[in-house]
Parts: sequence; C-alpha cells; structure tokens
Amino acid sequence: DIQMTQSPSSLSASVGDRVTITCRASQSIDSYLSWYQQEPGKAPKLLIYAASSLQSGVPSRFSGSGSGTDFTLTIRSLQPEDSATYYCQQSYSSPYTFGQGTKLEIK
Amino acid sequence: QVQLVESGGGVVQPGGSLRLSCAASGFTFSSYGMHWVRQAPGKGLEWVAFIRYDGSNKFYADSVKGRFTISRDNSKNTLYLQMNSLRAEDTAVYYCAKPGNWNAFDFWGQGALVTVSS
Repeated sequence: DIQMTQSPSSLSASVGDRVTITCRASQSIDSYLSWYQQEPGKAPKLLIYAASSLQSGVPSRFSGSGSGTDFTLTIRSLQPEDSATYYCQQSYSSPYTFGQGTKLEIK
Repeated sequence: QVQLVESGGGVVQPGGSLRLSCAASGFTFSSYGMHWVRQAPGKGLEWVAFIRYDGSNKFYADSVKGRFTISRDNSKNTLYLQMNSLRAEDTAVYYCAKPGNWNAFDFWGQGALVTVSS
C-alpha cells in the first residue's frame, strides 16, 4: 500500500500570510495527487487534482505543485475562511490513501 | 447539479449489520465508478471501498475486507454499502464520493453516521 505523509500536522498563521503544506508518498504516484479542505462537521471539498490543477470554483490563492513522491499545497494571502483541515490523497492505486491531515488555524 | 445523499446510518450493536445507501442525481451515474470513505470521530479520512461503473470490479480497504460489500443499482442511481460483523472501530461518518478528473473525488455526500455500541 502507498503511505501518504503530511506535514505539519497543525499550523497557525495570520490573515494575509502564505502557508505551505507538504505531502510525501511512499512510492511514485506520478501526478495522481489531490488536496481537500474539510471544515468541521462538513464533507471534504476538492481543491486541487492532478497535483496542480485547480478545481472549478476554488479561489486562485490555492495552488499545488509536485510530482512523483513530493507535493505541496500553497495558500497565499490567507483568509479567515481558510481555517480548516487539509488532506492530501493519492488516486494512483487502490487503496486510495489519505494523508493524516493538517489543521490550519487562523490567528 | 450533482447530488449525493446518504441514508441508512444509525446505532447498531457489535456484531450487527447495517446497509448504507447513496442516492445519486445530476450526472450519469451508470458511467462512473463510486467510492465510500469514512471518518471516525475526531480522526482523519479513510478510504473504504470502490466499485466500477458496471459493478464488475470492487476494491476494499484491508480493515473492512470480508465484512463489507459495496454494490450498486444503476437502474435506481443508487450505491450501497452492506456492513456486517460491525465493530466499535467501524464507528464513523460514512461518505459516498464520485471520482472525477484523475480519479480525484470531486463530489461528496453529506455523510451518514454509523455508531457501533452496546
């Protein structure tokens, strides 16, 4: 099985900041990497697919990069509504594993 | 617009069974494989199972293999998850999810809570 390791597990940042979350796969997954945002009590929402493609309707301050085993999610100009938990996921092969999540707090 | 609506959650005793349903609308259900994902209270997301668009192939997480069965009825635009031999560690919110580009999960249901407790 492919293991997905996210870091950090939590972070705190201020409105207007730029933040970066990293995700590492235990083997190459090409660009089959997605990022999701989950607010408390809600279903996850797709932000980025294919490592760097922005899902329709997602603000352009969200961006993704990487391929192979190392990936990043960047949020520039942080907004209050970005407070949430973020997950990476590989869709390269079954089981379609998720990272453990990164909880983002807005100061 | 795409809608996924889960139902069938509830409280069940350890060793019991439950069947979840996911009613799909707003897209051609019979053309897409579908997934189940769960989230235990206060924990992260765990992929559970996948079924191909025609039901011909099914994949499961090791944690549920042999106990859970994913199925679908394309005539009713409905996805199912039959859960048997339930354990306390199966307590979670269960989501159905539709794959899109590059197999990313582009639409999710609102979730159904399953509680396994005596």
